[in-house]
Amino acid sequence: AQSVAQPEDQVNVAEGNPLTVKCTYSVSGNPYLFWYVQYPNRGLQFLLKYITGDNLVKGSYGFEAEFNKSQTSFHLKKPSALVSDSALYFCAVRPFGNQFYFGTGTSLTVIP
Amino acid sequence: GAVVSQHPSRVICKSGTSVKIECRSLDFQATTMFWYRQFPKKSLMLMATSNEGSKATYEQGVEKDKFLINHASLTLSTLTVTSAHPEDSSFYICSASGRESDEQYFGPGTRLTVT
Repeated sequence: AQSVAQPEDQVNVAEGNPLTVKCTYSVSGNPYLFWYVQYPNRGLQFLLKYITGDNLVKGSYGFEAEFNKSQTSFHLKKPSALVSDSALYFCAVRPFGNQFYFGTGTSLTVIP
Repeated sequence: GAVVSQHPSRVICKSGTSVKIECRSLDFQATTMFWYRQFPKKSLMLMATSNEGSKATYEQGVEKDKFLINHASLTLSTLTVTSAHPEDSSFYICSASGRESDEQYFGPGTRLTVT
């Protein structure tokens, strides 16, 4: 069965510090990997995706993610967190076709 | 970039009534549209996938007679919650993909509250 795990429901980080939001997956084949951000009462906004190539993917708003095939992980990172980064973050995989599988989400709070 | 809109953004209805939510692709032709449901602080649950001009494919456990999906054109899909009950209260999000790319673009969501 396809699954995506975000082991942390909540991540707190001080403004200016680096942040990491974890994601691991269990899917067949070589899936596409995504990160989305959701602000309260809003839809999902695309941050970045990995298809192939360089394991470090750079995306919107200074975010990046590192693909690790051996650990089947795709952790989201940012070198210096902003208060405005506080939101709900979803990892998603797309093993084939248009079907997405989402993680349960991680709530990020950046403390001023 | 591709834009997907949803209308209404919020709706409150009485138990037993039906409510329709629209999902529109504003600047591309959406050959496939997806409807998701999101519970508070939970992930998105795919409800159904619809291709233009054909019947929607529902995920297991989703009642097709309860959640009617119509994808009549390449820019519009509708989700009708029939005989709504308080447990149908949720955040409903649509997404769409087109011919040129299989990328999915998400709408801003609709907050449904059934009283």
